[in-house]
Amino acid sequence: EPEVTQTPSHQVTQMGQEVILRCVPISNHLYFYWYRQILGQKVEFLVSFYNNEISEKSEIFDDQFSVERPDGSNFTLKIRSTKLEDSAMYFCASSRRTTTGSNQPQHFGDGTRLSIL
Amino acid sequence: QKEVEQNSGPLSVPEGAIASLNCTYSDRVSQSFFWYRQYSGKSPELIMSIYSNGDKEDGRFTAQLNKASQYVSLLIRDSQPSDSATYLCAVNLSNKLIFGAGTRLAVHP
Repeated sequence: EPEVTQTPSHQVTQMGQEVILRCVPISNHLYFYWYRQILGQKVEFLVSFYNNEISEKSEIFDDQFSVERPDGSNFTLKIRSTKLEDSAMYFCASSRRTTTGSNQPQHFGDGTRLSIL
Repeated sequence: QKEVEQNSGPLSVPEGAIASLNCTYSDRVSQSFFWYRQYSGKSPELIMSIYSNGDKEDGRFTAQLNKASQYVSLLIRDSQPSDSATYLCAVNLSNKLIFGAGTRLAVHP
């Protein structure tokens, strides 16, 4: 069964450094997402991406965050200047959409554990 | 603030019993509802999706939706120790998922 893949599985970075998290969505999916989960807390929406542009973003997704689809397969999340509070699991997800417009299930990757020191 | 509420648990059931997990949501506009299972340290894994009122069955799992009451539930029949995990209720709002905090289920032999 096709799956969303994320790299790296664990990233350790010094505060203030830039980090790029990478994702390869399921190949026939058109919608891409990033979520994060701080340890012991809820999964939180960060951003959704469709047709090469951001379709929605949360309050968390401030100017320090950006997303990109640099080629036909990768989808990246960049954090420009990391803060201690950015430490979390970051999940990439993707979904397809039916012609009726209903929201299809989002399938999640295994996540990247980001640790900011 | 759009909310999805779940009892945090733990919900403890004996092996072979039915586990009943409940979820309420605040936004009446929501049309798509999902249950995910999350093992400790792992990613959310899709268990069920439901879009219309009533019951939807898939193997040992049954999802129930009542839009008038803004209520979604998940029943797990013949619970197994391997079902022990946190179950996340998620509501799709404008193509983003709003998650509840999850209910921790413990199935004991």
